[in-house]
Amino acid sequence: GAVVSQHPSWVICKSGTSVKIECRSLDFQATTMFWYRQFPKQSLMLMATSNEGSKATYEQGVEKDKFLINHASLTLSTLTVTSAHPEDSSFYICSARETSGIYNEQFFGPGTRLTVL
Amino acid sequence: AQTVTQSQPEMSVQEAETVTLSCTYDTSESDYYLFWYKQPPSRQMILVIRQEAYKQQNATENRFSVNFQKAAKSFSLKISDSQLGDAAMYFCAYSTRDDKIIFGKGTRLHILP
Repeated sequence: GAVVSQHPSWVICKSGTSVKIECRSLDFQATTMFWYRQFPKQSLMLMATSNEGSKATYEQGVEKDKFLINHASLTLSTLTVTSAHPEDSSFYICSARETSGIYNEQFFGPGTRLTVL
Repeated sequence: AQTVTQSQPEMSVQEAETVTLSCTYDTSESDYYLFWYKQPPSRQMILVIRQEAYKQQNATENRFSVNFQKAAKSFSLKISDSQLGDAAMYFCAYSTRDDKIIFGKGTRLHILP
């Protein structure tokens, strides 16, 4: 089956530093990848849609300068949280949509827990 | 705008019994997809079942089945013979072919041994 990996699975950083999270589709090509944020006991909140070779589309209220997204290849998208602060602490999940897929099915990564001290 | 509503924040069911999770949605589109995702404590999102709006037949996957009522914009999930491993958050979700997925707020399902 389609597998999506995320790295790292958890990260702790100091306030003011930047953190990069990678999302990879391991056995399929993904023209489009999505980044979500999930607070405890809440649903997934879409942050941005990442398209290979073009600029990401951010959802309303998401700071594009704080959450930098790069989709450099058909198998890799990265989310960089710049100048992280404690309020950025959250669970970040990526998903990938298979380029040749018939259905609009997204395959999800296992998530990355970010803690900003 | 499309919305997905799950009105049951939490539910409990006895092991081996049947439980139904409710979901309603709102859309003006005629061609779309509906999903149920499971998120266990590991937080890995797992697709449970998918329904294409143009198909009248309700989707089934082993112990999981849906009751898709297009006119009523209702999409409930039935879990038969509940097992301890079914304990998780369940998210109802909606999407059109080339668009983002919209998730409901989720229903936490507890399985009582």
